[in-house]
Amino acid sequence: GQNIDQPTEMTATEGAIVQINCTYQTSGFNGLFWYQQHAGEAPTFLSYNVLDGLEEKGRFSSFLSRSKGYSYLLLKELQMKDSASYLCAVRDEEDSSYKLIFGSGTRLLVRP
Amino acid sequence: DAGVTQSPTHLIKTRGQQVTLRCSPKSGHDTVSWYQQALGQGPQFIFQYYEEEERQRGNFPDRFSGHQFPNYSSELNVNALLLGDSALYLCASSSLYHREGGEAFFGQGTRLTVV
Repeated sequence: GQNIDQPTEMTATEGAIVQINCTYQTSGFNGLFWYQQHAGEAPTFLSYNVLDGLEEKGRFSSFLSRSKGYSYLLLKELQMKDSASYLCAVRDEEDSSYKLIFGSGTRLLVRP
Repeated sequence: DAGVTQSPTHLIKTRGQQVTLRCSPKSGHDTVSWYQQALGQGPQFIFQYYEEEERQRGNFPDRFSGHQFPNYSSELNVNALLLGDSALYLCASSSLYHREGGEAFFGQGTRLTVV
């Protein structure tokens, strides 16, 4: 079956570092995405990993281990505006389509 | 360059009615996917359209149908609405031929409330 797990909620302090984990079991794999979604808004793209290792993009980094079915999103120098849901999604390639399988999201609360 | 646009932004319907939601993909994109996002959940894949055909479908009943037009825009139709269909409906556009490393761009969504 298809399954993506991530913690439901996390709390962190402004200026700190937080790591949001994601584990997945899918029938196919051609990339893992992280999206940020503020309440009532559309998901916005943060990062993409298709090979093992770390991808860094400013304050955000994402790591992938395909053998372990594991990824994490690292947010540094947290700001209040980082309070949002973070969605882990796997691209499941079947019949050359482009289907994203999402986890339920991790609600991050950044406190002063 | 306009991103993905969806209409309407909000909609209230009565149980049993039918609804049509619309999506215009980002310029240069030829593939449209529809997702349903219930409150507090991640988006769930409904189906995907490419070259005016449904290419893949998620675990949704036949009450959910769609269409893609020659200009790549798309519609999502839901018949015989149920209270459980209340959700945020997201449209995502992508380019099938540039999908390596290419993320899907999401529209702002249509918030459907069934009463």
